[in-house]
Amino acid sequence: DADVTQTPRNRITKTGKRIMLECSQTKGHDRMYWYRQDPGLGLRLIYYSFDVKDINKGEISDGYSVSRQAQAKFSLSLESAIPNQTALYFCATSDLSGKYNEQFFGPGTRLTVL
Amino acid sequence: AQSVAQPEDQVNVAEGNPLTVKCTYSVSGNPYLFWYVQYPNRGLQFLLKYITGDNLVKGSYGFEAEFNKSQTSFHLKKPSALVSDSALYFCAVRDYNTDKLIFGTGTRLQVFP
Repeated sequence: DADVTQTPRNRITKTGKRIMLECSQTKGHDRMYWYRQDPGLGLRLIYYSFDVKDINKGEISDGYSVSRQAQAKFSLSLESAIPNQTALYFCATSDLSGKYNEQFFGPGTRLTVL
Repeated sequence: AQSVAQPEDQVNVAEGNPLTVKCTYSVSGNPYLFWYVQYPNRGLQFLLKYITGDNLVKGSYGFEAEFNKSQTSFHLKKPSALVSDSALYFCAVRDYNTDKLIFGTGTRLQVFP
């Protein structure tokens, strides 16, 4: 969905490096999410934010941190990358006003940690 | 805890034949169920959702899903498969307490000409 953008789209880094993945959205949604996708495991939630002052851990937050700089921006950081963080990372948004609304996903960032 | 299961890693179908991608769920309370599709090198795209009402839900690209409460299933269906339907399909349930989406492991659909 072009309304949710992620940068970079691909990144190769080395073990121990700090890396930041960025997500921006023009949908005006309050809620933003970070997921990682691994083959055979589906998508797992890392962190989510219901507004700029609300940050929550997901099921696999260890080794990650996030920053909600504005309603439209939600960044994911790996303070010291390790090889098992090699995965496809997705940002998503949803509308606070509709409790049962679907989430809209960005195109993903493919991260490789050597 | 809420969960969904997709029992098939891959489904193979000939073009023009009907297709079914299976999903079962486990929730406490009313289930809010979703189907997403992921094409190669793309993000997930929403197909359809069940919140309440008719058990047969119609969605994008000719897909539909049948909610079956007694069997706790929400299978994705299409009457006539296209080669372009080949993709990875995810079932998901919204966690009632936290409003998060919980995804299944995905089913790869391969439609052969």
